Parts: sequence; C-alpha cells; structure tokens
Amino acid sequence: GQQLNQSPQSMFIQEGEDVSMNCTSSSIFNTWLWYKQDPGEGPVLLIALYKAGELTSNGRLTAQFGITRKDSFLNISASIPSDVGIYFCAISSGSARQLTFGSGTQLTVLP
Amino acid sequence: DSGVTQTPKHLITATGQRVTLRCSPRSGDLSVYWYQQSLDQGLQFLIQYYNGEERAKGNILERFSAQQFPDLHSELNLSSLELGDSALYFCASSVLGLGPDTQYFGPGTRLTVL
Repeated sequence: GQQLNQSPQSMFIQEGEDVSMNCTSSSIFNTWLWYKQDPGEGPVLLIALYKAGELTSNGRLTAQFGITRKDSFLNISASIPSDVGIYFCAISSGSARQLTFGSGTQLTVLP
Repeated sequence: DSGVTQTPKHLITATGQRVTLRCSPRSGDLSVYWYQQSLDQGLQFLIQYYNGEERAKGNILERFSAQQFPDLHSELNLSSLELGDSALYFCASSVLGLGPDTQYFGPGTRLTVL
C-alpha cells in the first residue's frame, strides 16, 4: 500500500524557535493533510492542502503541497508549550477517502 | 471536543475474548471510519461505513467486524483477541465520506489484551 515517509521522528526545541517537518512519498497524491495528536486524544486536522504548490497558513502553522505532488512540509513558527504533541502527515485516497498516515513527528518544546 | 464520542475509554481483557467498541458520530455525519493506532504499525485505516453500508476495507483482520446502525452509531467487534491487538482504536466521522470532507476523530478506546 501507500507509504509516507515522515521526518524527523522526534524534535526537541526551545520555546520561541521555529520548527519544520516533512513528508515524502513515491506516489502522487491530490490531497495532503496535517494532523496533530495530543496525549490521550484523537488526531485533529490542522491544515488541508488540495493543489500542487499550494501554501496554506493556520495561525503560526504553514504547510505546503509540493509541486511534484509527492511531498509536503509543515512549519511552526515561534513555538509555545502547547505545541507539544505528535504531528502526522496524511493523504486522503480511495473510494472512501480513507486516510493513510505518516509515522508521526513527536515534538517537545522546552521552556 | 470533536463531537465524536467513543466508549469505553479503556478496556482490559484477556486473550481469546471478544469485545465491542462503540462510536457515535457527529450530529449530521453519515460516514464512520475506524482506525487502529499501535506502536509498531502506526495509525491504520480499518473500515468505513456510510449510512449503514460498508464502503471500504483497509487492513482489518478477519477476526474483526463492524457495523453501522440506523441511528448511525457504529460498533467495532474484535474477537479471539491476541496480545498484538492491544492498541488505540479511533473512530472518525465525516459528512459524506467523499471529496474533501474533513474527518473528525473521537478520543479513542485504549484496548489492552493480557
């Protein structure tokens, strides 16, 4: 099946720093999604991307849909403690638009 | 709060047993998805229902089954449980399960098989 390669696996950053994570695939997709999962909770959609080259922001978060349609990145600017969690990239595909998730990036923000 | 509810929050059972996980979608959503999150496999799609009918299957074992009832709530049945079935099970719902519909996830059921 489809496989998404997400990196880095984990990040430790100081509060106030910017952070970047990305996902790549060997296949072309029409939709890239970024989710965040807090401990004990289900994933929450942060940003959805539908067009190659699209750059979308949601507050301090910015995500881009790669021009080749095989990759996407997520940037978080001026990190704060509540940014802690696991960030997942995902693609939506199939007749049911089911999600395939990357392996996640565990973000830790140090005070 | 996503509006999706799942019960129970935690479930501890023994190998060989059978359990039922329940999900109530957001009001107005017709589509329900089940996902499994484990340390070794990550977040994986299991199965999707739309308005009571199965629409798509992912990596769901034959020992697992699901259904969606007329009131749109869904149940995931796991039988002949094995240690490896220990995982977080998430339900997600969306309006139609088509196109750019957003999937809203519930808080999950943590299953521990001893």
